[in-house]
Amino acid sequence: DQQVKQNSPSLSVQEGRISILNCDYTNSMFDYFLWYKKYPAEGPTFLISISSIKDKNEDGRFTVFLNKSAKHLSLHIVPSQPGDSAVYFCAGAPLVFGKGTRLSVIA
Amino acid sequence: DAGVTQSPTHLIKTRGQQVTLRCSPKSGHDTVSWYQQALGQGPQFIFQYYEEEERQRGNFPDRFSGHQFPNYSSELNVNALLLGDSALYLCASSRYDSSYNEQFFGPGTRLTVL
Repeated sequence: DQQVKQNSPSLSVQEGRISILNCDYTNSMFDYFLWYKKYPAEGPTFLISISSIKDKNEDGRFTVFLNKSAKHLSLHIVPSQPGDSAVYFCAGAPLVFGKGTRLSVIA
Repeated sequence: DAGVTQSPTHLIKTRGQQVTLRCSPKSGHDTVSWYQQALGQGPQFIFQYYEEEERQRGNFPDRFSGHQFPNYSSELNVNALLLGDSALYLCASSRYDSSYNEQFFGPGTRLTVL
């Protein structure tokens, strides 16, 4: 049973445009949600989180939105940069990860 | 600060063998967690060690065991290897009372079972 689902394995976006990565969850008991970024040959690095009692959290170019009624969250990156090209994991806490979405930002 | 380090980087074993992976936590961290990331999947929690004891465990069989040393470093042992154990094994360190966003991951050990 996949508690955290990232249904898009990959996403390509042009540099300067918005990247939107989506995540759905089934477990209503998650305390908060986290997004991680992973480059090849490196471990995941924490990017941004959101409490289950909030609906939005912003940090620079990164914003996470949480829609509890739909059990859906999304990560917005604006503007997208080539260095953002990586695999992005959504996770519910205690840590249950989705399968990840590979973002490619094209210059 | 070297961050979280793991050794070896890559490892090839055959079915039925045993393997030991090692992790040194980030300076100031006392808790080590291990994750398995199979190809095309997200990391899956194996277990967490604090004060040299296993504190939490995910849905993994007893073939997976661990150890934490007084210097907070940790080992992951896998016995009777199966082909399905081929994966990237990630170690993450943190302070015991911290939240997940304060957990730092190492680069992982790539285990291939033939």
